Amino acid sequence: AQTVTQSQPEMSVQEAETVTLSCTYDTSESNYYLFWYKQPPSRQMILVIRQEAYKQQNATENRFSVNFQKAAKSFSLKISDSQLGDTAMYFCAFIGAGKSTFGDGTTLTVKP
Amino acid sequence: EAGVAQSPRYKIIEKRQSVAFWCNPISGHATLYWYQQILGQGPKLLIQFQNNGVVDDSQLPKDRFSAERLKGVDSTLKIQPAKLEDSAVYLCASSLELNQPQHFGDGTRLSIL
Repeated sequence: AQTVTQSQPEMSVQEAETVTLSCTYDTSESNYYLFWYKQPPSRQMILVIRQEAYKQQNATENRFSVNFQKAAKSFSLKISDSQLGDTAMYFCAFIGAGKSTFGDGTTLTVKP
Repeated sequence: EAGVAQSPRYKIIEKRQSVAFWCNPISGHATLYWYQQILGQGPKLLIQFQNNGVVDDSQLPKDRFSAERLKGVDSTLKIQPAKLEDSAVYLCASSLELNQPQHFGDGTRLSIL
């Protein structure tokens, strides 16, 4: 069985600063996919960034980037130049052998 | 493109009653997921379909929950009878294929009295 652990239930950051959210996972699969999703308060879950495990290069999407450490089974999300609109719950998700597992999330608050 | 549609948005029922949720995925998406999200927790996968076949239903409480995806398009999730612990948001998501990013609906917020 695969598991996803997000060890930071809550985090806060000042506007324009950088913050890193942690995620670790456990799996016996060699080929899998990792995602970060954002769920703003009372709004729809949306994809932030994805990483294929077979790719060594870390994914980047504008202000969002990941640090993927396959051997350590670690997949952290870095948000640069934080904006008030980044306030949300962030979920790390794993898909392996076609099966999907989410972490319990990190609530991020961006302060003005 | 139109997103994942779910209905109803809210539902309040008494325990031991039955309830059904409906989901229409994005057109052409082969994979459909139903999740249960309890307040303050991450989504927990209940059942996953690939076209109209079940890929994973290992966490579906089959004594009270059922789901179907007829013709490989829209899907319904039913709870009968409901228990207090079923109070949650039920999310439907779809993806083009297995292992692809999921697109989520707005969810159905279920309250059990």
